[in-house]
Amino acid sequence: DVKVTQSSRYLVKRTGEKVFLECVQDMDHENMFWYRQDPGLGLRLIYFSYDVKMKEKGDIPEGYSVSREKKERFSLILESASTNQTSMYLCASSFPGGAYEQYFGPGTRLTVT
Amino acid sequence: QQPVQSPQAVILREGEDAVINCSSSKALYSVHWYRQKHGEAPVFLMILLKGGEQKGHEKISASFNEKKQQSSLYLTASQLSYSGTYFCGPTSGTYKYIFGTGTRLKVLA
Repeated sequence: DVKVTQSSRYLVKRTGEKVFLECVQDMDHENMFWYRQDPGLGLRLIYFSYDVKMKEKGDIPEGYSVSREKKERFSLILESASTNQTSMYLCASSFPGGAYEQYFGPGTRLTVT
Repeated sequence: QQPVQSPQAVILREGEDAVINCSSSKALYSVHWYRQKHGEAPVFLMILLKGGEQKGHEKISASFNEKKQQSSLYLTASQLSYSGTYFCGPTSGTYKYIFGTGTRLKVLA
């Protein structure tokens, strides 16, 4: 059974802290994605990676960075967490190209106080 | 720019039909459809490709008008399990998927 796992389901951090969200997939997918989900705004792409050490900005990259040192792992980093980054964060992976579906992780609900 | 989905929300009774529309401002290579139940991750429903190829669940049907850059998802004889938020995710053939804001669907017994 295919799996995308995320390091935490719930996370509470303080303003200014550095936050790491980890995502691991076991499907040998080249593409990995980080989305942010907020009520009424749908799924907004933060960053994606199409290969190890390769990354592209999505629509809302400000305040975030990513790291992909191994094919199966994609990390989202909040350098200095702010309250407006309180949200649900979803990781996904897929084979390359628009003809392949994405598989999503269960999400991490991050609260920044 | 995010694709526009309509309606934003719909309530059905079991057995009724619904159509969810997705409209993009960009030329499309494919359209993906996903359903997300409350508190769960989005789950793949269907992909429609330029040229007419489709892949997905047998009980779900959809259309893709490449010229109009639109797609529609058809839910027939709805069941309680169809409740959730539906997202379309058009792609232009690159890595990026730009998802719509979602359509909330609730099926009542």
